[in-house]
Amino acid sequence: KQEVTQIPAALSVPEGENLVLNCSFTDSAIYNLQWFRQDPGKGLTSLLLIQSSQREQTSGRLNASLDKSSGRSTLYIAASQPGDSATYLCAVQTGGGNKLTFGTGTQLKVEL
Amino acid sequence: GAGVSQTPSNKVTEKGKYVELRCDPISGHTALYWYRQSLGQGPEFLIYFQGTGAADDSGLPNDRFFAVRPEGSVSTLKIQRTERGDSAVYLCASSLNRESWNEQFFGPGTRLTVL
Repeated sequence: KQEVTQIPAALSVPEGENLVLNCSFTDSAIYNLQWFRQDPGKGLTSLLLIQSSQREQTSGRLNASLDKSSGRSTLYIAASQPGDSATYLCAVQTGGGNKLTFGTGTQLKVEL
Repeated sequence: GAGVSQTPSNKVTEKGKYVELRCDPISGHTALYWYRQSLGQGPEFLIYFQGTGAADDSGLPNDRFFAVRPEGSVSTLKIQRTERGDSAVYLCASSLNRESWNEQFFGPGTRLTVL
């Protein structure tokens, strides 16, 4: 059974700092990995999707990497801003179905 | 519409009652998913539709939960004899088709509270 873990569970940083969020998964036979953002009381916003054949994806200040063999992904956020404050979730799609398996998220707070 | 929509946004009901939650996927998306998110947790898969048929319902917790998508577009999640443990945010997502590279796009969710 696929299990996804995110570390740290919570993170507080000053504005402008670069930061890394970590995601690990137990079954490396994945089709893809998605990073999402969730604001309090809201749904999920897709940030980046990495296919199993890719090693990284970039969008603006965000860069996500994937090391499938070791079961790890990182989300790098450059020059953090208070508007980046949210919960970040990673999810993997594993063979045998289209469902996503989610981690429990990292709650990020960027302070002025 | 531009994105996935869900109604109602909030639903409060009493233990033992029946509820229906509605999802309107992005136009043209053939795949539709239901997830449930409890407080402080990541979403958990419930059921996946490809077109009108349920391709994977392995996440439904018990036979009180049922979902339909009769015309391959709008879906309804139905919960019978609700229990307090059913309280959660129910999220719907859609993707273009069943291919593995497709992103899933999520709606805002329905917050269900069972008193």
